[in-house]
Amino acid sequence: QQQVKQSPQSLIVQKGGIPIINCAYENTAFDYFPWYQQFPGKGPALLIAIRPDVSEKKEGRFTISFNKSAKQFSLHIMDSQPGDSATYFCAARGGRGSYIPTFGRGTSLIVHP
Amino acid sequence: DAGITQSPRHKVTETGTPVTLRCHQTENHRYMYWYRQDPGHGLRLIHYSYGVKDTDKGEVSDGYSVSRSKTEDFLLTLESATSSQTSVYFCASTSGGSNQPQHFGDGTRLSIL
Repeated sequence: QQQVKQSPQSLIVQKGGIPIINCAYENTAFDYFPWYQQFPGKGPALLIAIRPDVSEKKEGRFTISFNKSAKQFSLHIMDSQPGDSATYFCAARGGRGSYIPTFGRGTSLIVHP
Repeated sequence: DAGITQSPRHKVTETGTPVTLRCHQTENHRYMYWYRQDPGHGLRLIHYSYGVKDTDKGEVSDGYSVSRSKTEDFLLTLESATSSQTSVYFCASTSGGSNQPQHFGDGTRLSIL
């Protein structure tokens, strides 16, 4: 049972575009929602994270939007650059004492120059 | 960044041989994890550890065992490697605080012929 559904599986945009990656979850006990960025040959690295008490968080060109009632959250990349080409994973974790995150299956993003 | 190193980074071996992958972290993190990453499946949890000598199974644990004799080291063993275990393996760790993400190593690419 996939508890975090991520879409799309792949995404191609032109430089300057705004790719959006969406995730939906089922477990209402989740209380921490990180996004990871992974470049080829490297491990995933934390990009930005949000907790459900806020609806939006921005860090540079990256924004997470969070809709608690819909149990959905999304990553927006403003003014995308070729260097943003990577695989992006959403994740969710939560419940007291739960340190096992559930990952989405990933989105491969290509930003053309 | 958390210091997590995986060894070896690449390995080619034959079906039926035992294989041990090592993960070493220098952050004194309590929690450590082993994942495998395959196209279309994202990151799948193999085993995790919540302290020295305390480990538990993840969603794809069959054919794998782990050991953690020291806080900094987490070993993954394939007792008798099979071709289906060809994959990229990632280790991760976290302190377990409420806003603390996982930190990943750069992976081990394992090919079983």
